[in-house]
Amino acid sequence: AQSVTQLDSQVPVFEEAPVELRCNYSSSVSVYLFWYVQYPNQGLQLLLKYLSGSTLVKSINGFEAEFNKSQTSFHLRKPSVHISDTAEYFCAVSHDNQGGKLIFGQGTELSVKP
Amino acid sequence: DADVTQTPRNRITKTGKRIMLECSQTKGHDRMYWYRQDPGLGLRLIYYSFDVKDINKGEISDGYSVSRQAQAKFSLSLESAIPNQTALYFCATSAAGTGNTEAFFGQGTRLTVV
Repeated sequence: AQSVTQLDSQVPVFEEAPVELRCNYSSSVSVYLFWYVQYPNQGLQLLLKYLSGSTLVKSINGFEAEFNKSQTSFHLRKPSVHISDTAEYFCAVSHDNQGGKLIFGQGTELSVKP
Repeated sequence: DADVTQTPRNRITKTGKRIMLECSQTKGHDRMYWYRQDPGLGLRLIYYSFDVKDINKGEISDGYSVSRQAQAKFSLSLESAIPNQTALYFCATSAAGTGNTEAFFGQGTRLTVV
């Protein structure tokens, strides 16, 4: 069985500061890894994903995440955050026998202050 | 118009009442899912359907039932609502495939059971 742990429930940062949201997973099989973002009063939308190949994946709005198989981690980073990045971020895993089913972490609330 | 539409967006109901949450999609996807979001717990899978004739229980199906009326419609019912079913409910869809497919989420239904 798979599980996902997001180590920080809330991360407050100042605008233009760097941020890292941590995600660790547990699985006995190869996994696919996702970060979803939920802006206030909205549904979740995909931010980025790791399927295979290069372990560093990037989003169009400056986030990146690195798959680290030895540490079973998929931490999300951004070198300089904006007020508009304030949202809840969810790490999720899936694998080939799951179809499209996702197992989510607990979520991390990122609060960017001016 | 949203690709995945949930109705209602907000609902307050009394303990013991039957309630139905509806989801429709225009993505043309075969696969549909119902998740529940609780603070500090992330999203948990309630039921999923890989095609019109396929219904499967998820992690937390007790107290819920579903109906897949058509490829585009997937409803979630609470037969006799109880207060601990107060939560934010999300419908999602994905294309057929293995675990590497992206999920698309509706905007959520906030359900309060009093």
